[in-house]
Amino acid sequence: EAGVAQSPRYKIIEKRQSVAFWCNPISGHATLYWYQQILGQGPKLLIQFQNNGVVDDSQLPKDRFSAERLKGVDSTLKIQPAKLEDSAVYLCASSSLRSPINYGYTFGSGTRLTVV
Amino acid sequence: QQPVQSPQAVILREGEDAVINCSSSKALYSVHWYRQKHGEAPVFLMILLKGGEQKGHEKISASFNEKKQQSSLYLTASQLSYSGTYFCGTGGGAQKLVFGQGTRLTINP
Repeated sequence: EAGVAQSPRYKIIEKRQSVAFWCNPISGHATLYWYQQILGQGPKLLIQFQNNGVVDDSQLPKDRFSAERLKGVDSTLKIQPAKLEDSAVYLCASSSLRSPINYGYTFGSGTRLTVV
Repeated sequence: QQPVQSPQAVILREGEDAVINCSSSKALYSVHWYRQKHGEAPVFLMILLKGGEQKGHEKISASFNEKKQQSSLYLTASQLSYSGTYFCGTGGGAQKLVFGQGTRLTINP
């Protein structure tokens, strides 16, 4: 089966600019996650969708980050305006069932964002 | 609450064994283990659910001790391909997986 697709693979922007990332999960996977991974750290959950509804966005900096999952399939994550500390790899993952905690996540290759 | 992994880094020769530990201050419902190679996405290795079971995957196995709120990953007769950073992810009954800070494993020939 096709994996989780993400684009772009790399992005360099200046601080205060905006940027958007796109993710297409594995077909049929109801749960989609966006994680932020800062160099040398473990992935940190930003937002979790179940179909097109938000399950958890408690760690999403809502003053600058936004995410949507229209039609319960692909998703976009936006940062506006970007700060230097947003430099990280943004990983999208998906999981198939209503109880995703019981099953492994499939991650995409990620988008490496550098804010200068 | 982020789980704590130990050690932070391990260097082995090919064929040696390794143990990576993951501890949580909260009651655990499940523990996930992932391996991430440099510049790549994390890859799912295995999951252990509440019940204290031990699972195996080729020469990689793991245990889950609910009472101690910890899990251990065992790598036996390590191969060069085992190199990477290993992450545990822990979750409670309300879902939401929280990852540890990672353990970097280097296997030398």
